[in-house]
Order: sequence, then structure tokens, then C-alpha cells
Amino acid sequence: NAGVTQTPKFQVLKTGQSMTLQCAQDMNHEYMSWYRQDPGMGLRLIHYSVGAGITDQGEVPNGYNVSRSTTEDFPLRLLSAAPSQTSVYFCASSPDGRRGYGYTFGSGTRLTVV
Amino acid sequence: AQTVTQSQPEMSVQEAETVTLSCTYDTSESDYYLFWYKQPPSRQMILVIRQEAYKQQNATENRFSVNFQKAAKSFSLKISDSQLGDAAMYFCAYRLPSSNTGKLIFGQGTTLQVKP
Repeated sequence: NAGVTQTPKFQVLKTGQSMTLQCAQDMNHEYMSWYRQDPGMGLRLIHYSVGAGITDQGEVPNGYNVSRSTTEDFPLRLLSAAPSQTSVYFCASSPDGRRGYGYTFGSGTRLTVV
Repeated sequence: AQTVTQSQPEMSVQEAETVTLSCTYDTSESDYYLFWYKQPPSRQMILVIRQEAYKQQNATENRFSVNFQKAAKSFSLKISDSQLGDAAMYFCAYRLPSSNTGKLIFGQGTTLQVKP
């Protein structure tokens, strides 16, 4: 089925480890983004991309890197995991970033940093 | 700064009855988009309904409808004939079309329980 695919679904990391959360979409969407969801805080934007080769920071970018080498893929890298990065992470895409299209979300990654 | 507030952390409704979830937002813009997303226990975020601020007509999708009060900055979701499958967390979200960030600003969420 067409949509946004996130891997892995669950991950446990030790403090200081690095890892990459994968995100791929097959809808030819220009806009992709990463959010984190924490209890009582809704979802907050980490990084976003308006097209291949273009990325920018969102609301809570510290500790995360992104790149967008293709339209389809938008991986999120945790450089040195910290317990404060324990969260559920969502990748989302949209045809573009300007008009009022709804987002298509991936199924999320639950990350625990111990 | 734009903010979205959902003042009801939890709500419950009897199956087949109607429930309304509240959402207010703060913005100085006149053109924007509003959304309701559903997050069931599976964690998947599902778009329920979408409203364009320049349209006065309230959006409707089957059993889901909104009451959009632009002057009051209110965007409530009404679920009619509630079903057990409606049990989920519901998020209200706001988006500015003029900003290239495409950023969705989310409320804190409302957990809806449906009683059989």
C-alpha cells in the first residue's frame, strides 16, 4: 500500500549511542518532516524538508540530524542518544509545504534511551 | 506565536451517542488550515477532517463534523453515532499556508473513551 514507511517500530538505545530512524514514502511528496510525541505535549516538529537537497530545523532540532538525498527518503539521525530523547517519533509527508494538504504519517518509532 | 489548546484531557461517550471535543487556537493570521487527527492504540495518526479558514461552511466527513467559529478561534469536533472504533486520542492541529515550514502545530490531545 502507498504511504509512509518507518523503521524500526521499536528501539532501545544506551546513552551515547547513535542510530538512524528510517523514513520512506512512495507518493512523490515534496514535503517531509519528523515529529516527536511526548505525553501531554502533542507532537513537536524536529526537522523538515521541502524537497530533495533542502532541509531545515523545526522547533526541537537539538541532538538530531537529517538529510534528503532523494524525494523518497528522509532519515533522522540521533548523534549521541540521551534519556531526554526517549519518545515516539513520527515521519510525515505532504504534497507540498505551503498549501493546506493534510499529512500522511508513518506508524511511528518508539525509542527508549537508557 | 500560534498555539493550539485542547482543554479536555479525557472524554467519554456512550456508544451511539454524540460527543463534542473542544479546540481553541491563537493566531493573528486570517488564512490558515485546521485539522483533526485520530490516534488509536495502534499509534497510527489518521486525518479525520480538515477545515480551510476562508471557508465559512463547516466541514463534514460522514459521522464527523466541525463547528468552526473563526472570530472565537474555536474548532470543535462533533462525533455522531459514536462507535467503539472511535475510541482514540484526538489531536487538533493548525497550519499556516504562508509559511514554508509547513509546520503543523498540535494541541495536547483528548483521549476519547466509548462505552458499550
